[in-house]
Amino acid sequence: SQTIHQWPATLVQPVGSPLSLECTVEGTSNPNLYWYRQAAGRGLQLLFYSVGIGQISSEVPQNLSASRPQDRQFILSSKKLLLSDSGFYLCAWSAGQTTSTDTQYFGPGTRLTVL
Amino acid sequence: AQSVTQLDSHVSVSEGTPVLLRCNYSSSYSPSLFWYVQHPNKGLQLLLKYTSAATLVKGINGFEAEFKKSETSFHLTKPSAHMSDAAEYFCVVSDTKAGTALIFGKGTTLSVSS
Repeated sequence: SQTIHQWPATLVQPVGSPLSLECTVEGTSNPNLYWYRQAAGRGLQLLFYSVGIGQISSEVPQNLSASRPQDRQFILSSKKLLLSDSGFYLCAWSAGQTTSTDTQYFGPGTRLTVL
Repeated sequence: AQSVTQLDSHVSVSEGTPVLLRCNYSSSYSPSLFWYVQHPNKGLQLLLKYTSAATLVKGINGFEAEFKKSETSFHLTKPSAHMSDAAEYFCVVSDTKAGTALIFGKGTTLSVSS
């Protein structure tokens, strides 16, 4: 069966510090991968999605970036965190050829607090 | 463009009573519709999915949803609430034509009292 992991589970970082969140998927090949952010009192906002190694699409301009160095690894990064980057970050995967109709399965999330 | 509106930000029910979480969608084409549940500080779990097969979709934990094209609705129901159902619920739409990723509603928080 497929599983999705995220780490760390929680993170407290000072403003201006770098960020690296990691997501890995097991039990599937060539997944579509997604990063979402969930801010307090708001819905989920898609940040990035990837349909293959090295292929990243950005949905929202910001100081975050994403990379996919391996088929089942998706990394969310920042060079300098802002207060507004605080939130709950969720990674998700889906199977199939498109990013539209396939069910997305979510990881446990990372709670990021920027102070 | 597709969108989804969850009509209630918060719903409170007593244990053993029915649950109704309302969702309306807008889509230019034939949509796929989902309901996800999120318990505090956890990831999202898929409850059920509609993809143009039967209009009444049964999901996990006794939940079901009915797709009504004429009303552009996809309301989530459960006959009898359980304490463990207390969580946040998201209605989600995807557009089969546009090929974009999922669009999430803002969520409905379900509280269940004993």
